[in-house]
Amino acid sequence: VQLQESGPGLVKPSETLSLTCTVSGGSISSFYWNWIRQPPGKGLEWIGYIYYTGTTNYNPSLKSRVTISVDTSKNQFSLKLSSVTAADTAVYYCARESGGAWFDPWGQGTLVTVSS
Amino acid sequence: EIVLTQSPGTLSLSPGERATLSCRASQSVSSSYLAWYQQKPGQAPRLLIYGTSSRATGIPDRFSGSGSGTDFTLTITRLEPEDFAVYYCQQHGSSPYTFGQGTKLEIK
Repeated sequence: VQLQESGPGLVKPSETLSLTCTVSGGSISSFYWNWIRQPPGKGLEWIGYIYYTGTTNYNPSLKSRVTISVDTSKNQFSLKLSSVTAADTAVYYCARESGGAWFDPWGQGTLVTVSS
Repeated sequence: EIVLTQSPGTLSLSPGERATLSCRASQSVSSSYLAWYQQKPGQAPRLLIYGTSSRATGIPDRFSGSGSGTDFTLTITRLEPEDFAVYYCQQHGSSPYTFGQGTKLEIK
């Protein structure tokens, strides 16, 4: 299984960040699919997950601004983060939850910069 | 939220030496739900250890994990040049899932 993030690398403050993760080499119709981010030079923050049925769970720190959705017909899941600020500048990773307890594999990550 | 505190922040060692990295949780974590990742510059994290002590596919046996409750350890025996990287612990037992702040393993 391989994951690949895609989306704009630059987003203006107050706008909505939108990313898509394409899953290849396996079906999205099982497992939990996650978004994780890493600000430049800093640690990792779990954003949330979606199950293929549409069940979601978000980090409370971002819950009011996050929406994760899934498109099983395209083997993709997506992240929307609204009202972004410079603090949302980060490398965004998608990852599969495996064994109900860890993240593997990960996408290569995509840097999103919030700037006017 | 379970806070994971890793120590030391930076560990300076030479190839061939033994590295011991610590991860302490603010509350008890089931051993099934503690994982370790390695991250090199410009790369995504790579799963090393899951379930506290099980090595992921392709991970050499010089990597080992141990611990229980609130104290967990990643040990790397006989450091190789490619082992110098940042290491993160992660708990999956309680939402929100959280990571430690990382330990940077650097060449002395």
